Amino acid sequence: EAGVVQSPRYKIIEKKQPVAFWCNPISGHNTLYWYLQNLGQGPELLIRYENEEAVDDSQLPKDRFSAERLKGVDSTLKIQPAELGDSAVYLCASSRGGSSTDTQYFGPGTRLTVL
Amino acid sequence: EDQVTQSPEALRLQEGESSSLNCSYTVSGLRGLFWYRQDPGKGPEFLFTLYSAGEEKEKERLKATLTKKESFLHITAPKPEDSATYLCAVRGDYKLSFGAGTTVTVRA
Repeated sequence: EAGVVQSPRYKIIEKKQPVAFWCNPISGHNTLYWYLQNLGQGPELLIRYENEEAVDDSQLPKDRFSAERLKGVDSTLKIQPAELGDSAVYLCASSRGGSSTDTQYFGPGTRLTVL
Repeated sequence: EDQVTQSPEALRLQEGESSSLNCSYTVSGLRGLFWYRQDPGKGPEFLFTLYSAGEEKEKERLKATLTKKESFLHITAPKPEDSATYLCAVRGDYKLSFGAGTTVTVRA
């Protein structure tokens, strides 16, 4: 079974530029998560999707961050404009959904560097 | 708000030297305590889920235990390939709250 796929793996941009990250979850997984991980810290949830619906986006900085999950499969996370403090690893995870005890499986992440 | 504290921050072990990692937590209505392993440049890899106090799970040289306030990850006779950061997370609802992790280095 293929795991969670993310691209790109690395991205270097200058501040004020836009950037987008893409995630393809494990086949059959209805729930998709985006996390942010700073160096030396654990992941922090940005947004959770149940199929196409964003059911928890309370931690997403909506002034510059946006996300979408068209057709309930792939998802894109966008930052516009990027700031120096956005440098971090952006992780995507997925789970089967339907139960709060579902295991979340993570992708390899996208390491963003903002110069 | 759910909180997770892991200790120590770093652990250096000699190959074969067993040790334990601690995860202390506060959560309203625990719906699972999760252990993940994270290698440099990779995403967290799922290891175990524990649901109730007294529960134990094992995988190779790793054994996870759970009480009402903390969880331990015991590493028995570690090998260099066990070197990684081990993350603990709790879920009270659908959101996973992670600790900062314990970085384990096993020297041959």
